[in-house]
Amino acid sequence: DIQMTQSPSSLSASVRDRVTITCRASQSISSDLNWYQQKPGRAPKLLIYGASTLQSGVPSRFSGSGSGTYFTLTISSLQPEDFATYYCQQSYTTPPTFGGGTKVEIQ
Amino acid sequence: EVHLVESGGGLVQSGGSLTLSCAASGFTFRSYSMNWVRQAPGKGLEWISYISISGSKTTYYANSVKGRFTISRDDARNSLYLQMNSLRDEDTAVYYCARDRLPAVIHFDYWGQGVPVTVSS
Repeated sequence: DIQMTQSPSSLSASVRDRVTITCRASQSISSDLNWYQQKPGRAPKLLIYGASTLQSGVPSRFSGSGSGTYFTLTISSLQPEDFATYYCQQSYTTPPTFGGGTKVEIQ
Repeated sequence: EVHLVESGGGLVQSGGSLTLSCAASGFTFRSYSMNWVRQAPGKGLEWISYISISGSKTTYYANSVKGRFTISRDDARNSLYLQMNSLRDEDTAVYYCARDRLPAVIHFDYWGQGVPVTVSS
């Protein structure tokens, strides 16, 4: 199975900060990388697919980049509603696997 | 609007069985592959099963549930199912049904609200 490693596991930030989360794959997954946001008690929400394509309705302050084994999710100006846990997921091969998550907390 | 609503969760004894259902609406269910994803308390997300659109009825399972869980679908009823047998304590989780954004490309554009399953020994 492909292992997905996210860093950091948690971070503290302030509103309007620029935040970057990293996701590494244990082998090349091309651009088959997706990002999700999950708030407590809620289902995950797809933010980005194909490493860099914004899902419909997702604010443009979210962006994704990378290919191969290294990927990033950037929030350009953190908003109060962005405090949540973020997960990466590879869709390159079965089984699809998730990173361990990055919890973004208010500083 | 796309809606996925899970049901059938609850408390079950270790070794027991449970069947989860997911009722879909707001889209052409038969045209989308579907999945089950679970989340143990305080833990991350774990994909557990996939079913293709009905033409091929291909299924995949995570090793952790292979041989114990069975995914199925009824396109006439717009419903997805997960039959869970030989349940273990480690199967305790919230179970989500999730739609693939594209058929046979396993990433999830819509999720249900989740249904809790508690396995007690």
